[in-house]
Amino acid sequence: ETGVTQSPTHLIKTRGQQVTLRCSSQSGHNTVSWYQQALGQGPQFIFQYYREEENGRGNFPPRFSGLQFPNYSSELNVNALELDDSALYLCASSLATGGRETQYFGPGTRLLVL
Amino acid sequence: SQQGEEDPQALSIQEGENATMNCSYKTSINNLQWYRQNSGRGLVHLILIRSNEREKHSGRLRVTLDTSKKSSSLLITASRAADSASYFCATPGETSGSRLTFGEGTQLTVNP
Repeated sequence: ETGVTQSPTHLIKTRGQQVTLRCSSQSGHNTVSWYQQALGQGPQFIFQYYREEENGRGNFPPRFSGLQFPNYSSELNVNALELDDSALYLCASSLATGGRETQYFGPGTRLLVL
Repeated sequence: SQQGEEDPQALSIQEGENATMNCSYKTSINNLQWYRQNSGRGLVHLILIRSNEREKHSGRLRVTLDTSKKSSSLLITASRAADSASYFCATPGETSGSRLTFGEGTQLTVNP
C-alpha cells in the first residue's frame, strides 16, 4: 500500500457530462500528478500540482482541469466528456518536484464514458 | 513518440526462469524508474536507478542503465507466477522533472 487513495474506484458517465475524480496524497507529500491510461497503453501525464498551483501540463485540452487543496489532496475535473476519455485515471504523489523522487501511485479510478 | 519504449511487448516464461525486459529512451535523464502494474490496478514502484549508476539490485530484481545507449534492462530472476503483470519504465521530463513519461509496457506471463 502506498498511502495514496483515489475515489471513486469506478464510474460510468455519458458523453457530454462532467466528472470529478479525487486523490489523497501520501502523508507529507506536497506534489500530486495525474495520469490517464487507456487500455493496453502506458500512462500519459495530464498535469501536476505543487503547493496548490499547476506545475506542468501534458498534451490534454483545457476541459481537463484540476485543483490542489491546502492538505495537498487533489481533484481532476473533466468537462464535456468524450468516448475517448474512457480510461484508468491514476494520481501519484511525491515529496518535491525535482524529478529525482519516487512517485507513489494510487489504485486509480476507472472511468467509462458511454 | 514515446520517451520510454519497452521491449518485448509481451513475454511468456515458465516459473523459475529469468525474465528480461528492455527499455529505450531518447533524451538525457537523471534517473529511470521501473514500475509494475497488475491488471487494471495502480502502479507499484519497483526501483529507481540514477544516471550515475550502472546497475542496481533489489531482491530478485536487477536493473542496468547504459546512458551511452540510452537503454535500461530489468531482470527478474527465478520468476514466480505472482510476477505476472505489466512492467513499465518511466523517465522524468526535460522541462518538468516530476512529469514521468512511460512506455507501452511489457506484459509478463509466468506459467506455473
